[in-house]
Amino acid sequence: QSALTQPASVSGSPGQSITISCTGTSTDIGAFDSVSWYQQHPDKAPKLMIYDVSHRPSGVSNRFSASKSGNTASLTISGLQAEDEADYYCSSYTTSPTHVFGTGTKVTVL
Amino acid sequence: QLHLQESGPGLLKPSETLSLTCTVSGGSISSSNHYWGWIRQPPGKGLEWIGNIYSIGNTYYNPSLKSRVTISVDTSRNQFSLELRSVTAPDTALYYCARVYLRKFEPWGQGTLVTVSS
Repeated sequence: QSALTQPASVSGSPGQSITISCTGTSTDIGAFDSVSWYQQHPDKAPKLMIYDVSHRPSGVSNRFSASKSGNTASLTISGLQAEDEADYYCSSYTTSPTHVFGTGTKVTVL
Repeated sequence: QLHLQESGPGLLKPSETLSLTCTVSGGSISSSNHYWGWIRQPPGKGLEWIGNIYSIGNTYYNPSLKSRVTISVDTSRNQFSLELRSVTAPDTALYYCARVYLRKFEPWGQGTLVTVSS
């Protein structure tokens, strides 16, 4: 199975909004509403930020929102803050059934 | 609060077998609808799903690793384990365990670094 495709890097100034895309296929993102997003700070374990395409776990800022259209999912961070600088990974359940992660996106706050 | 902790050797030689254990505390590994998974991350690279197991033993593996991987569960110890056979340098990675509940990974263990080197 191939990794989901994400841009290698996205940057924005404090207060701005950025969007990270995650492109898969009809056998993963397109097949289920089971897309999740993870934030990983350096030398830390990943943290769940979004599940089931657009749901936020308790404690995650509402500045994080997400959606899906066809085979592509997107994560938007609004009101960008310095603490948002991290790597972000999408993940999807697949028809195999397995799980697949995205290639990862480094978010830089300028 | 659920907590997961990986343990196992940090250095292996090529062709050896990687064996890691994840100890679950703060909850039962036999909880309904809870799967338990392994994910790895080579240094400076992205996340790769290795496989999941359910408490009664049902397993699901990454096709690219399936021939070398076995995940098992010990409900009496509230632990699950990863075995990866015939390791080579590309298997060098930070190995994480995580609960997989309703197709999402949360929480994660802190990770354990495994280095393959002669």
